[in-house]
Amino acid sequence: AQSVAQPEDQVNVAEGNPLTVKCTYSVSGNPYLFWYVQYPNRGLQFLLKYITGDNLVKGSYGFEAEFNKSQTSFHLKKPSALVSDSALYFCAVRDPGSNYQLIWGAGTKLIIKP
Amino acid sequence: GAVVSQHPSWVICKSGTSVKIECRSLDFQATTMFWYRQFPKQSLMLMATSNEGSKATYEQGVEKDKFLINHASLTLSTLTVTSAHPEDSSFYICSARSGAYIQYFGAGTRLSVL
Repeated sequence: AQSVAQPEDQVNVAEGNPLTVKCTYSVSGNPYLFWYVQYPNRGLQFLLKYITGDNLVKGSYGFEAEFNKSQTSFHLKKPSALVSDSALYFCAVRDPGSNYQLIWGAGTKLIIKP
Repeated sequence: GAVVSQHPSWVICKSGTSVKIECRSLDFQATTMFWYRQFPKQSLMLMATSNEGSKATYEQGVEKDKFLINHASLTLSTLTVTSAHPEDSSFYICSARSGAYIQYFGAGTRLSVL
């Protein structure tokens, strides 16, 4: 079955430190992977995607993600965290058998402390 | 970037009344739009997939007679919650597909049914 796992409910990072938000997936065929961010009481904002090509993809707000096929992972990273990065982060993979639907992870709350 | 407008952002209604939520793609044509429901501290739950000019495809367990979806044009989809009850109170989010891969999201609508 297709699935996305975000193993951490919450990640706490000090401002200025690097951050990683983990995501693993299980999908048939080539995965199309996405990261979105949600601020309180708001919709989701697209951060970045991996479709094909370089395993390291760069996105909005200084975020990047590394696709690792052998580990079936797509971890979100940022070299230096900002307090304003505090939000809810969702990993998603396109459901290959659907009408462009996405399979969503449970979300990881990222808290950046000053 | 692609912009999706969702209106209203917040609505309070009496039990038994109907509420309409609009989702518009402002700068692109969206063949497919999606409607999600999000409970507090939870991930997105796909309610239905809406294709322009055809009937929406509802996910299992979603009452199609209660949640009426209309996708009359390439830039507008509406969700009508009919005969709303307190258990329908939730955060509803729409998204529109741009191209083959990315979904762009509205800001969400918080529905409170008294």
